[in-house]
Order: sequence, then C-alpha cells, then structure tokens
Amino acid sequence: AQSVTQPDIHITVSEGASLELRCNYSYGATPYLFWYVQSPGQGLQLLLKYFSGDTLVQGIKGFEAEFKRSQSSFNLRKPSVHWSDAAEYFCAVGYNNDMRFGAGTRLTVKP
Amino acid sequence: SQTIHQWPATLVQPVGSPLSLECTVEGTSNPNLYWYRQAAGRGLQLLFYSVGIGQISSEVPQNLSASRPQDRQFILSSKKLLLSDSGFYLCAWSVREAFFGQGTRLTVV
Repeated sequence: AQSVTQPDIHITVSEGASLELRCNYSYGATPYLFWYVQSPGQGLQLLLKYFSGDTLVQGIKGFEAEFKRSQSSFNLRKPSVHWSDAAEYFCAVGYNNDMRFGAGTRLTVKP
Repeated sequence: SQTIHQWPATLVQPVGSPLSLECTVEGTSNPNLYWYRQAAGRGLQLLFYSVGIGQISSEVPQNLSASRPQDRQFILSSKKLLLSDSGFYLCAWSVREAFFGQGTRLTVV
C-alpha cells in the first residue's frame, strides 16, 4: 500500500542553525513529491514540489529538498532557520488522482 | 488566478445533528477535489476525493459522505455527527499539486 513516513514527530533547532526534515515514501512508481507548511489553525501552504528533472528543488522561504530515488526519500532542508519557520511541516506524495500526506513534523525554533 | 473557498471557519454542533461543509473553487476547470481531516496533533487523513461531477471515492468507511453536484463544488456531509467527528477539515483542489482552503474547525459536543 502507498504510504508516506515522516519519522520525526517534533524537532527543535536554534535560530540560525541548519534544518533537515526527513520524508520517505512507498509507492509502486515515482510519484510527484511535495512539502507543505501549516501555521496553527490555518490551511497548508505549498513550499516546493518535484515532478521530474533536477532532483534538487528550490522552494519558497529559502527551503530546498532533494529527491533520492534509491532511498525513496525527499528530505527538506534549510541552511539557516528563522524564528518564523516554527510550524508544522508535511511531506506529501501524489500519483494519478491520489495525494497522501505524512503525519507531519512540528518544528520549534529556540532563540 | 485560482482560489478556493471553504466555510464555515468554525462550527460547534451537538452529537446527532447533521453536518454540511462546503468548498468551492474558482479559476480552474475539472479539478481533482479532496476532503481531509486533521485530528489534533496528527497528520492529514484523506476522507474523499473526486475527479469529476458525481464521482466520489471514499478512503475510509465512516460517518461522513461527500458529494460533487457541480464541477467546482465539493460538499462534506453527515446525517448524525459523532463525538469522534471533531477535528479540522480541509478541502483541497489539484491538477498536480494541491491547494488548500483555510479549513473548518468542527467541534462536536
């Protein structure tokens, strides 16, 4: 069955430190891959997406993600975290008309 | 540009009462439409998706139903709410990536 795994439920980083959020998927074929961010009580905003081509994709707010086919992973990175990055982050995969989300990783940023 | 409207933003309903949440999309034709539920501190559970008018796929057997009476309208319903139906409901549309409404916070009391 198709699945998306975000192994880290909660991550705390200091402001200015680097960040990596992990995402692994299990699909029969290479799906479309996404990262979304959700502020409390709000909908989800698309950070970046991968459909094909260059496996390193750039998104909004200084985020990037790298697709690694051999590892079935699509990890999200940011070189220097800002306090405003504190939020819930969701990895998602889409294939045909199906779109599935991971359980999310809550990011806390320490001053 | 495409926009998605979801209402109401918050809703408090008694157990056993009916439910109707509405979602409409503007600026696109024949989108895929989705209803997700997000329980407190948990990820998004896909409830229903639709690839066209009158076409509904249900992911989880439950107390809810969905309908798509028009191309850009997606409705989530229940005849009798349960306490366990409380949560944050999100509507989304996609062609490839999904775009979300602002959500409805449903509290069943």
